[in-house]
Amino acid sequence: KQEVTQIPAALSVPEGENLVLNCSFTDSAIYNLQWFRQDPGKGLTSLLLIQSSQREQTSGRLNASLDKSSGRSTLYIAASQPGDSATYLCAVRDRSNDYKLSFGAGTTVTVRA
Amino acid sequence: GAGVSQSPRYKVAKRGQDVALRCDPISGHVSLFWYQQALGQGPEFLTYFQNEAQLDKSGLPSDRFFAERPEGSVSTLKIQRTQQEDSAVYLCASGLLASGANVLTFGAGSRLTVL
Repeated sequence: KQEVTQIPAALSVPEGENLVLNCSFTDSAIYNLQWFRQDPGKGLTSLLLIQSSQREQTSGRLNASLDKSSGRSTLYIAASQPGDSATYLCAVRDRSNDYKLSFGAGTTVTVRA
Repeated sequence: GAGVSQSPRYKVAKRGQDVALRCDPISGHVSLFWYQQALGQGPEFLTYFQNEAQLDKSGLPSDRFFAERPEGSVSTLKIQRTQQEDSAVYLCASGLLASGANVLTFGAGSRLTVL
């Protein structure tokens, strides 16, 4: 069974600092990996999706890397802002069941003004 | 509608009561998923529909949980004889496609508290 782990569980940084969020997964036979943002009382918002053949994806201040062989992904958020405060979830789809997402427990980020 | 709508947003039930949670997906979306998110945890897969067919229900925790999507649009997750461990946020998501390339849209969730 795919196990997804996110470290750290929580992170607090001053505004302007870069954020580094880590995700690891146990089974490297993945279809793709996705990073989500979750705000309190709201649904999940997709941030970046990386196909298994890709090494990274970028969107604005966000960059996600994927090292499938070592079972790791990292989400970088440049020049953090208080509006970036949220919980960030990593999820993978396995090749064997490519419709199903396996989530980590998330990293809760607080950006202090 | 523009997004995935879930109701009720909040539900408090006494232990032993039955509850029904509703999901209105985006019109025309083929795939529909239910996930359960306990406090401080990531969402856990419950079940998957492709149109009206329930293709995977392997994540349902017990036979007290039942989901349906009879006409391939609205879905209902029913929990019978609720227990305290059922307390969680239940998330519904829908997608246009039926494959792993799907980009899912998640609803805001239904928060269930069992006393």
